[in-house]
Parts: sequence; C-alpha cells; structure tokens
Amino acid sequence: AQTVTQSQPEMSVQEAETVTLSCTYDTSENNYYLFWYKQPPSRQMILVIRQEAYKQQNATENRFSVNFQKAAKSFSLKISDSQLGDTAMYFCAFMKHVVGNNNAGNMLTFGGGTRLMVKP
Amino acid sequence: NAGVTQTPKFRILKIGQSMTLQCTQDMNHNYMYWYRQDPGMGLKLIYYSVGAGITDKGEVPNGYNVSRSTTEDFPLRLELAAPSQTSVYFCASRDSDRAKTQYFGPGTRLLVL
Repeated sequence: AQTVTQSQPEMSVQEAETVTLSCTYDTSENNYYLFWYKQPPSRQMILVIRQEAYKQQNATENRFSVNFQKAAKSFSLKISDSQLGDTAMYFCAFMKHVVGNNNAGNMLTFGGGTRLMVKP
Repeated sequence: NAGVTQTPKFRILKIGQSMTLQCTQDMNHNYMYWYRQDPGMGLKLIYYSVGAGITDKGEVPNGYNVSRSTTEDFPLRLELAAPSQTSVYFCASRDSDRAKTQYFGPGTRLLVL
C-alpha cells in the first residue's frame, strides 16, 4: 500500500515571499501520478498542480511549481509571491498508474495536510 | 457547467437514523468517488465507481453503501448512523483520460449525535 507523508502540520509565510511545502511518499510502483490540492476555509478541494512520474520536468502552474525527486520519493510544492488567498490546507496525493481494467489504480492516497497561513 | 454538486450541505442525524448523500456530475465522467475527511486529516476513500452499474470498496467502506444507476449520479447511503460517521463527505469524478485529475464537489458536513 502507498503512504503519503506531509511532515509540516503548519507553516506561515509573509505576503509576497516564497514558501515550500514538503511531501514524501512510499511506493514500489514505477508509474504514478502526484497531485497537490488546496482546501481553503470554504472546504472546496481545488487542484493546484499535478505531476506524472514518467516526466522528468517539474510541473509549473503560474506561481506554483514542484520539485519532483523520483529517487528520493519527494514531491515538494513551492509557492512564489505568496498571496493572502493562498491561505489554506494543502494536501499532497498519490495515484498509481494502472493499465487496463485494474480498478486499484483509481485510488487517491492523501497525506495528512499542511495548514498554510499567509500573513500580510 | 456545474461540475460536481452535492446535497445537502449540512445535516444532523441521530444515532441509528439513515440518510442518502447525493452526488451529481455533469461532465460525463465515468469515474466517481466518495471520500470522508475527519477533522484535521486527509481524505480517505469510501467507495468508487468506474461506470454505471460498477462499484467497488475503497479504504473505509464499513457502514456505507453506494449505487450507480446512471453516469451522472452516485449516491452514498448511510444505514444506522453512528457518531464515528461524523465527518465531511466529498464526492469526486474524473474522466477516463490520462490526466487522472479528480474534480471535487463542495462537500457535505454530517454530524451524528
């Protein structure tokens, strides 16, 4: 079974600064997907960024980028130019890549989350 | 496009009561999921479906049932509600493409007293 660990329960950053959220995972799979979801106080789960394990290039979405280290099984999220609206819980998640009708590949495994506070 | 919608937003149940949490998506996605999120925790998969008529258990299925009679709807049934089922429930869906991205509904907060 896969496990996802987020070692930072809470973090804070000053507005306009950069912050990095850590995520490590444990798997014996070679092909998989990694995600960062944001959950603001509204509780809505919002996809921030995704990474396919077979791609060596780190994914980037505007102010959000990842540092994907496959050998180290690490998937950190960097938020640049932090904004007040970035205040939220951030969850790292893992999904196996399965070919065919093996339904086990549908499971998203979540980490415990990191609460990020952006201070003015 | 409404995306994934869930009803109700909030419900209080007494121990032993039953209820159905509704989930509908208008994106024609084959895959649908139910998760629960306990306070301060990540989400755990309850049940999922890979298409109409096909469902399977996730990590924490006990005390729940699902059905998938149409592509759009994936209701979650709680029989004999227990305080341990107090949680926030999220429904999600995704397409069959390579992206594997799941899109979440706004959640249903359930309190069992």
